[in-house]
Amino acid sequence: DAGVIQSPRHEVTEMGQEVTLRCKPISGHNSLFWYRQTMMRGLELLIYFNNNVPIDDSGMPEDRFSAKMPNASFSTLKIQPSEPRDSAVYFCASSFPLGEAVSGGTDTQYFGPGTRLTVL
Amino acid sequence: GDSVTQMEGPVTLSEEAFLTINCTYTATGYPSLFWYVQYPGEGLQLLLKATKADDKGSNKGFEATYRKETTSFHLEKGSVQVSDSAVYFCALMKNRDDKIIFGKGTRLHILP
Repeated sequence: DAGVIQSPRHEVTEMGQEVTLRCKPISGHNSLFWYRQTMMRGLELLIYFNNNVPIDDSGMPEDRFSAKMPNASFSTLKIQPSEPRDSAVYFCASSFPLGEAVSGGTDTQYFGPGTRLTVL
Repeated sequence: GDSVTQMEGPVTLSEEAFLTINCTYTATGYPSLFWYVQYPGEGLQLLLKATKADDKGSNKGFEATYRKETTSFHLEKGSVQVSDSAVYFCALMKNRDDKIIFGKGTRLHILP
């Protein structure tokens, strides 16, 4: 398996522009998580989905951020309009369904390589 | 609320030194405990975990024991290598379908 796939790996944009980050979870995983990492705030959970349904979006910083999971193999995180303080590395992670016998366990999250976003 | 506290870094050691990174947690019930590692330019990956009191997780020479009486899950390694240089995150999860709560991370530098 290729692991969690994120695109783009790097994004540089100007303030006010719309940014869309993409994630393809590992096939068979039913939970998907979006995180943001900065030096100042560390790793923050933004939102997570279970079976394509948003379960907890309390970490989404403001209305400029939105996330969707139209199917089990794809999710997007959109920022509109973007601001310089949104500059960070954004990670997507996924995990196995409860009850599946897999190595690592059903509670293990598998992270993608991240998207480094720079808003000028 | 539930939280994880780990020692602030950076931690700088010489190769072959003994490593301890302290981690304590606050949570009701019996959470699962994890250590994740992030190598430069990569996402986090699971290093080890323990799901109940007195369990010891181990991987790649690293160990951590779930101590409920002290609410701790300290990470140890007897002899570190330069390749262990990374950021280490302690974390907890209360229920399988719940989110993981991460500590702020501890950056580790190993000098040759």
